[in-house]
Amino acid sequence: GNSVTQMEGPVTLSEEAFLTINCTYTATGYPSLFWYVQYPGEGLQLLLKATKADDKGSNKGFEATYRKETTSFHLEKGSVQVSDSAVYFCALSEGMGGGTSYGKLTFGQGTILTVHP
Amino acid sequence: KAGVTQTPRYLIKTRGQQVTLSCSPISGHRSVSWYQQTPGQGLQFLFEYFSETQRNKGNFPGRFSGRQFSNSRSEMNVSTLELGDSALYLCASSLGQGAVTEAFFGQGTRLTVV
Repeated sequence: GNSVTQMEGPVTLSEEAFLTINCTYTATGYPSLFWYVQYPGEGLQLLLKATKADDKGSNKGFEATYRKETTSFHLEKGSVQVSDSAVYFCALSEGMGGGTSYGKLTFGQGTILTVHP
Repeated sequence: KAGVTQTPRYLIKTRGQQVTLSCSPISGHRSVSWYQQTPGQGLQFLFEYFSETQRNKGNFPGRFSGRQFSNSRSEMNVSTLELGDSALYLCASSLGQGAVTEAFFGQGTRLTVV
């Protein structure tokens, strides 16, 4: 079945440091890939997405490129802020539709990011 | 435009009771999916509804059920609650055409079973 693996956390950085959170996946077909962010006590917010190979998703300074050859979708930000402290989830949905893919996202285990001033 | 609304935000129930959670999707979205989030198991897919029909379900016991109304609002029900059902329950709405290309989540309902 499909699976998503995120780098082990937690990740602790100083403000303005460079961030990378690794994400690799296993999937049949052509999945869409997502990064979600969860702040304490809140639900998930869609951060960015990519629906086909070589697409780059970007939002609020975060970027991730859909690499089919390495089955990866690593999240990067050039300069993190204290307000970026949250849990980040990589996820995929099956690209072909139908059957077991309807409405289903498969998530990684989440990476806790803490940014210190 | 309004986001996904889940009610209530918090619930405390006793073992053996049942509970109903509600989710109102974004206007125009016809698919509603439900997830359980726990520290040990992470985010796990429960089921998905589209046009009042369950199209997909995850590996949860029959105590977990749901339904969707003609206005796309959805409810999930958990019967005979167990301590292990304590979790954050999240719903997500999407357009529902084929596989998910964009899904938006509500703030969740925090269920505590005592």
